[in-house]
Amino acid sequence: GAGVSQSPSNKVTEKGKDVELRCDPISGHTALYWYRQSLGQGLEFLIYFQGNSAPDKSGLPSDRFSAERTGGSVSTLTIQRTQQEDSAVYLCASSLGQGFPNQPQHFGDGTRLSIL
Amino acid sequence: AQSVSQHNHHVILSEAASLELGCNYSYGGTVNLFWYVQYPGQHLQLLLKYFSGDPLVKGIKGFEAEFIKSKFSFNLRKPSVQWSDTAEYFCAVTLRNTGGFKTIFGAGTRLFVKA
Repeated sequence: GAGVSQSPSNKVTEKGKDVELRCDPISGHTALYWYRQSLGQGLEFLIYFQGNSAPDKSGLPSDRFSAERTGGSVSTLTIQRTQQEDSAVYLCASSLGQGFPNQPQHFGDGTRLSIL
Repeated sequence: AQSVSQHNHHVILSEAASLELGCNYSYGGTVNLFWYVQYPGQHLQLLLKYFSGDPLVKGIKGFEAEFIKSKFSFNLRKPSVQWSDTAEYFCAVTLRNTGGFKTIFGAGTRLFVKA
């Protein structure tokens, strides 16, 4: 069946440029998460959307990072004025949501972002 | 602050050795606990989970984990590892906070199994 889809799978860009990363969650999943996975740094939480509630942005590392989720489905993570330390794999996950805390998250394959 | 700690960042074992990966969390309320695995070149996937009942849970590929509430631990075990178990393992905890439920991941443990 259809899983979490992320695009692009790879993105190489120059320092200072803006990038947009897209996540298409599993249909019916109301919760959507963005994480960043850097070499040796594990899984870093960025932002969490649950239905129509205000997102939990507590993990965003700076104001250059923002995310939105339109229509409760597709989400876009935007990084403005990229820096070399932004290079990482950005993972998106979805789950059934608030009423199902015992349900696992389903992860996409990630977007590998490289800042030159 | 709520957190999840995985004490071993890198583990190297020979095939047939026994495995135990530690996971501790800091939160006094009700939790749901998960172990995820990421095989080389693949996406993160669920290995096993606990939310109630028997604190010893069994997952795929012979893995099991035991929830010890008094120790705030959820260690992952496998009696005899195989080369194909080489992967990165993440412990995760879902807890209730003021905004609803939140999932926190540990930093991960990279396991390398020598053939």
